Amino acid sequence: DAGVIQSPRHEVTEMGQEVTLRCKPISGHDYLFWYRQTMMRGLELLIYFNNNVPIDDSGMPEDRFSAKMPNASFSTLKIQPSEPRDSAVYFCASRLNQGARNTEAFFGQGTRLTVV
Amino acid sequence: SQQGEEDPQALSIQEGENATMNCSYKTSINNLQWYRQNSGRGLVHLILIRSNEREKHSGRLRVTLDTSKKSSSLLITASRAADTASYFCVRMDSSYKLIFGSGTRLLVRP
Repeated sequence: DAGVIQSPRHEVTEMGQEVTLRCKPISGHDYLFWYRQTMMRGLELLIYFNNNVPIDDSGMPEDRFSAKMPNASFSTLKIQPSEPRDSAVYFCASRLNQGARNTEAFFGQGTRLTVV
Repeated sequence: SQQGEEDPQALSIQEGENATMNCSYKTSINNLQWYRQNSGRGLVHLILIRSNEREKHSGRLRVTLDTSKKSSSLLITASRAADTASYFCVRMDSSYKLIFGSGTRLLVRP
């Protein structure tokens, strides 16, 4: 397996534009997490899914942020409209929980978002 | 805040010395995990300790867990320059949420 794949790796956009970040989890994994990393706030959990269903989105900062998981192989994190303070590295991670709860998460390489 | 507390925030040691990082948390856990991150890149899993375990070893890594004190420590023995990275304590709670600590930046001087 190629691991967790995120795209794009880098995104530069203008304030007010819509941004869509994409994630392909490891095949067979039933949990998917979206994190945001900044110098000021560290790694924050934004939302996570179990079997494609959002379980906890309490970390999503504002209504401008939305996340979907239409199937087990794909998830998106959308920001509309984007603002300069959204600039951060966004990580996606997946793990297999079914039958083995004490397992690690695997992280993608992240998307570095810059909003100017 | 989602984050637990880790200390120290930064640690600088000489190659060959041991490095100890500590982590505290507030809520109950299923397990506690340690991850490593090089220069803002992806995170790599190092070791996992279950809530009913007290100590675990993996190569040069030793992790301890004290659930009565809600704390954990990561010891890296005989450190190498290549160990320079940020290290994060991550707790899995009862809802399988993975919550990161604030991290320790380790610098190993050659």
